[in-house]
Amino acid sequence: DTGVSQDPRHKITKRGQNVTFRCDPISEHNRLYWYRQTLGQGPEFLTYFQNEAQLEKSRLLSDRFSAERPKGSFSTLEIQRTEQGDSAMYLCASRPDPRTGGEKLFFGSGTQLSVL
Amino acid sequence: GNSVTQMEGPVTLSEEAFLTINCTYTATGYPSLFWYVQYPGEGLQLLLKATKADDKGSNKGFEATYRKETTSFHLEKGSVQVSDSAVYFCALNTGFQKLVFGTGTRLLVSP
Repeated sequence: DTGVSQDPRHKITKRGQNVTFRCDPISEHNRLYWYRQTLGQGPEFLTYFQNEAQLEKSRLLSDRFSAERPKGSFSTLEIQRTEQGDSAMYLCASRPDPRTGGEKLFFGSGTQLSVL
Repeated sequence: GNSVTQMEGPVTLSEEAFLTINCTYTATGYPSLFWYVQYPGEGLQLLLKATKADDKGSNKGFEATYRKETTSFHLEKGSVQVSDSAVYFCALNTGFQKLVFGTGTRLLVSP
């Protein structure tokens, strides 16, 4: 169990640029989640996958955001035309199939995005 | 809607002091409740959980009881250690592990 890994740890970009983050979940976990955490706030749910299927997207996820999990393993989160309000910590989490595992989410350390 | 309210921090205690971090929630139905902890430089980790009313979750000396009548899930520990210094998040599950988190409470424990 190597844990959930996210790359990069930090990203600084200029407003209007596109950015992409990667998440590698724990290998046997079929559910993968993205959350966003701004300074002084708790994480907010963005979207989640079961295998390669994106099952739900929060209203927080504007059209500039897109997430994929093409082979049901790693996932990417892309933000197009970044805005200063996108500055936040982007957290990935995974969990095993609920039929075999518990409710525990395993979180990565996050990608800190700063939009200048 | 669903929401979680936590006491604001930081909470500053001396080692071996008693800890309480208050958490109240608003929810549809009776969701599972959680405490997650974030140690410096690390990702969020599940500390404890409770899935129904009157359940008590416990781990590492921490406890929290699911109180339906007061819609609360307060975190307690009888004797804190310096290593407990972290940010603590109360959360509820709206379904399929789509968690709603509180704003977090920073705990600072001094020797």
